[in-house]
Amino acid sequence: ETGVTQTPRHLVMGMTNKKSLKCEQHLGHNAMYWYKQSAKKPLELMFVYSLEERVENNSVPSRFSPECPNSSHLFLHLHTLQPEDSALYLCASSRGQGAADTQYFGPGTRLTVL
Amino acid sequence: AQKITQTQPGMFVQEKEAVTLDCTYDTSDQSYGLFWYKQPSSGEMIFLIYQGSYDEQNATEGRYSLNFQKARKSANLVISASQLGDSAMYFCAMREATNAGGTSYGKLTFGQGTILTVHP
Repeated sequence: ETGVTQTPRHLVMGMTNKKSLKCEQHLGHNAMYWYKQSAKKPLELMFVYSLEERVENNSVPSRFSPECPNSSHLFLHLHTLQPEDSALYLCASSRGQGAADTQYFGPGTRLTVL
Repeated sequence: AQKITQTQPGMFVQEKEAVTLDCTYDTSDQSYGLFWYKQPSSGEMIFLIYQGSYDEQNATEGRYSLNFQKARKSANLVISASQLGDSAMYFCAMREATNAGGTSYGKLTFGQGTILTVHP
């Protein structure tokens, strides 16, 4: 299943680096999401974009900056991260319609902050 | 506020046997959706099955079925004829529909997950 792709799959960065995570969906969906999955914690919703407009920002620190240039692409720009930001970052997309709005996930980017 | 509880941190099952993974939820919404996802060690979250709050019949998808008991607010996943490839983390999630930006989207709340190990 290659409906939602994420690059890179693994990323190691220092606290002073700037990097970006990329997500692309090939499903014709209208909504895209960023989640953070830390060890021993449930998935945490970070951002939601609906029709390229940010509609949800769950008190995420400003060192995480999302960008949605079109309905197929979603980026997460990272700068001056902390070691506690090390986690699996998952992107998802959904149609954004109907009661059974199912989110489909990408493979994730495993981020390590040194 | 919504809450999803998965009380089984880990479960073990023999290959070819059935296993039930528990999920209870708490919501004051009348309309909601319940989802199960599988996460192998590779990290990808794989959608398995969906149950709507107004669906009268339990959802089924191949070897997966959802035992939906609305009065008890439970949505247990049943995997029949377990296979070695079923070994993974399983997450229960609940959706609250939210409208913004000209469209609705599914805001999911996830449980802590259950690690399933299938023994040969």
